[in-house]
Amino acid sequence: DAKTTQPNSMESNEEEPVHLPCNHSTISGTDYIHWYRQLPSQGPEYVIHGLTSNVNNRMASLAIAEDRKSSTLILHRATLRDAAVYYCILRDWQGAQKLVFGQGTRLTINP
Amino acid sequence: DTGVSQDPRHKITKRGQNVTFRCDPISEHNRLYWYRQTLGQGPEFLTYFQNEAQLEKSRLLSDRFSAERPKGSFSTLEIQRTEQGDSAMYLCASSLGSDRRDEQFFGPGTRLTVL
Repeated sequence: DAKTTQPNSMESNEEEPVHLPCNHSTISGTDYIHWYRQLPSQGPEYVIHGLTSNVNNRMASLAIAEDRKSSTLILHRATLRDAAVYYCILRDWQGAQKLVFGQGTRLTINP
Repeated sequence: DTGVSQDPRHKITKRGQNVTFRCDPISEHNRLYWYRQTLGQGPEFLTYFQNEAQLEKSRLLSDRFSAERPKGSFSTLEIQRTEQGDSAMYLCASSLGSDRRDEQFFGPGTRLTVL
């Protein structure tokens, strides 16, 4: 399975934007980039996914580098409820359906 | 409630005992997954069902572990002769599998403690 690299932890202030980076230099052409997050004492939840173009939804934006070797999850105005572990996951739609989680980035939001 | 449910939420057992966990997926979802998560780590894949067929098993799933999904509805995960190393959160997820997002919806997990 393709690997992703994320910082272990990040910190931000409430109501400020947060940019969570992910490196995936070995990404293949059929890999989609998925982001999930895990709030304290809960199971992971889907945030967003993309292939080549930048994507927006009600939760976040996903900016994908032109060479696809990195991506950034953007939370436009962080709230205390966004404090979680964020996982960047590569998923080959043609292959296995499982999610392969790394260590993720623990995001702390300061009030 | 239309989410994924898991039972029990917590289980404490003694080493050597057998335990069984249950997962009820979202009703129309045909895909069901089991993951295991230890403290400070991301979830690790254990096994995956498409309807009642078990299509993939991780090498983490030793012969002490067995999972079933009779009739393609709920699923059970049994661990025989539990060991202290089995202590973890066991997460179940389900998905519809109808598009490339294939969003997986996770349950709250069953926390297993083996004494």
